[in-house]
Amino acid sequence: DADVTQTPRNRITKTGKRIMLECSQTKGHDRMYWYRQDPGLGLRLIYYSFDVKDINKGEISDGYSVSRQAQAKFSLSLESAIPNQTALYFCATSDDYGSSGYTFGSGTRLTVV
Amino acid sequence: DAKTTQPTSMDCAEGRAANLPCNHSTISGNEYVYWYRQIHSQGPQYIIHGLKNNETNEMASLIITEDRKSSTLILPHATLRDTAVYYCIVGNGGATNKLIFGSGTLLAVQP
Repeated sequence: DADVTQTPRNRITKTGKRIMLECSQTKGHDRMYWYRQDPGLGLRLIYYSFDVKDINKGEISDGYSVSRQAQAKFSLSLESAIPNQTALYFCATSDDYGSSGYTFGSGTRLTVV
Repeated sequence: DAKTTQPTSMDCAEGRAANLPCNHSTISGNEYVYWYRQIHSQGPQYIIHGLKNNETNEMASLIITEDRKSSTLILPHATLRDTAVYYCIVGNGGATNKLIFGSGTLLAVQP
């Protein structure tokens, strides 16, 4: 099993719909992150969480919300999806010191039509 | 967090060493240099990181200049499977650890 699992892998949704992307990790790390990647660009940080009670906005949090249900689970929601949120979304986890780098999931490809 | 500058793209012949440069002239004393790579829309993969000493692991070597304002990632014997976008990132590995990705370098390994 993968260390970081994202579901769904692909999703097409309509404008205005609410959608949740889920992420779970088996690394036992406290820190989790959500990134977004647009074609030809690098990753941009949406939200991050350093433990279950800690949630922080990243570079581009507008239009998104998150929930840290447990140490192993970190969900990203789009309350009312819009076409420019069409992107590849990655979840990641790290230990408290970044000593072993981030471990990323395989990504969720989201298309908003 | 300090920003980095990398070339947009580089080519390398298969079997030769690939040397990927990165400038980080505003790096702070407690910031590490991290390297990741992303193979065509897959999740980024951690390669290596360092503070001020050179580092080597099974994937690559990291050479950091004495003033820490630049670094080079070395893939000693590039293969076609090393074709990817390589990201150089600086960040504090401690309490404020969060990585900010730039645009990276697209390394194309040629047969």
